Amino acid sequence: AQTVTQSQPEMSVQEAETVTLSCTYDTSESDYYLFWYKQPPSRQMILVIRQEAYKQQNATENRFSVNFQKAAKSFSLKISDSQLGDAAMYFCAYREDLYNAGNNRKLIWGLGTSLAVNP
Amino acid sequence: DTGVSQDPRHKITKRGQNVTFRCDPISEHNRLYWYRQTLGQGPEFLTYFQNEAQLEKSRLLSDRFSAERPKGSFSTLEIQRTEQGDSAMYLCASSPDSFNTEAFFGQGTRLTVV
Repeated sequence: AQTVTQSQPEMSVQEAETVTLSCTYDTSESDYYLFWYKQPPSRQMILVIRQEAYKQQNATENRFSVNFQKAAKSFSLKISDSQLGDAAMYFCAYREDLYNAGNNRKLIWGLGTSLAVNP
Repeated sequence: DTGVSQDPRHKITKRGQNVTFRCDPISEHNRLYWYRQTLGQGPEFLTYFQNEAQLEKSRLLSDRFSAERPKGSFSTLEIQRTEQGDSAMYLCASSPDSFNTEAFFGQGTRLTVV
């Protein structure tokens, strides 16, 4: 069974600095998707960034980028120029490829990392 | 349509009572998911609908839980004879059929069983 591990329950960063959140996963599949979702307090889960396993190039979205190491099964999130609004729970999630998972694209989640941004 | 909507946002109920939650997905999304998130944990998959068909249920979904999606639009999740262990955030997500798309989440229903 696939598992996702986030080993940092809490992290903090100074405003305008850079922080990296770690995620490792375990799977025997070769095709899958990885996601980072952000969950602000009392607000909905929103997608931060997505990586397709077949792509070697690391995904980037403005200040957010990932370091995807497929062989090591590692998927870290880097937040540059941290802003106060980045404070939230960050979840790493795994999704099987469509054809491996039948039709169900359920996500398998890590426990999350609580990120505090200090002014 | 501004996103996935869940109702109510909060529910406090006495142990043994039945509760029902509603999720309205984004209108063109035919896939709908329910997850449960307890304090300090990541979400856990409960069940999945494609249109009106419930295609997968997690073993977490005991006999006291039932979900429906009549006509492939909104969905309801009912918990009968609630227990304190049912206290959690219940998240609904929807996605279209397009392969390379993510799921969009509602704000969740926080259930407290006292």
